[in-house]
Amino acid sequence: EPEVTQTPSHQVTQMGQEVILRCVPISNHLYFYWYRQILGQKVEFLVSFYNNEISEKSEIFDDQFSVERPDGSNFTLKIRSTKLEDSAMYFCASSEAPSRGEGYTFGSGTRLTVV
Amino acid sequence: EDQVTQSPEALRLQEGESSSLNCSYTVSGLRGLFWYRQDPGKGPEFLFTLYSAGEEKEKERLKATLTKKESFLHITAPKPEDSATYLCAVQYYGQNFVFGPGTRLSVLP
Repeated sequence: EPEVTQTPSHQVTQMGQEVILRCVPISNHLYFYWYRQILGQKVEFLVSFYNNEISEKSEIFDDQFSVERPDGSNFTLKIRSTKLEDSAMYFCASSEAPSRGEGYTFGSGTRLTVV
Repeated sequence: EDQVTQSPEALRLQEGESSSLNCSYTVSGLRGLFWYRQDPGKGPEFLFTLYSAGEEKEKERLKATLTKKESFLHITAPKPEDSATYLCAVQYYGQNFVFGPGTRLSVLP
């Protein structure tokens, strides 16, 4: 069964450093998403991406964050100048046709720990 | 404010003891309601999508139903492997989801 792959599975970084979280969406999917889940809290939407541009973003997704599709297979989330409160699980998801939400597939996540 | 709540927060069942989980929403302009299963340290795994009041979907021991204000996930004769956190998510305008806090289900052998 096709799956969304995320690397690394765990990233530890010093406060103030930049991190890049990587995702390989399912190959025929065109819509990509990042969500995050702070320990013990809800899964929260960050950003959606289609046709090489951001289609929607939440209030959380401020200038500290950016997304990129650097090639035909990868989708990345960059977090600049990390803060302690950025520690969370970050999930990538992809879908083929999101207009009615079918087929959202999530990756297993990257656990980001900012120290 | 659009909101999704789930109850109970946690549920412990004996193997074979059927029960229901609730998801209530106040989202305006609902496009779809989704149920996901999440195992510890893993991403949400898609279970069901419901689009309109009265709709029902089934998969093995799970059955999801939808009304205008809430959805139920019925678990019939659960097994220990059904233990997980069950997440409800609502899709409104645009493409993103609003997730509920989840119900942690433990099924004891």
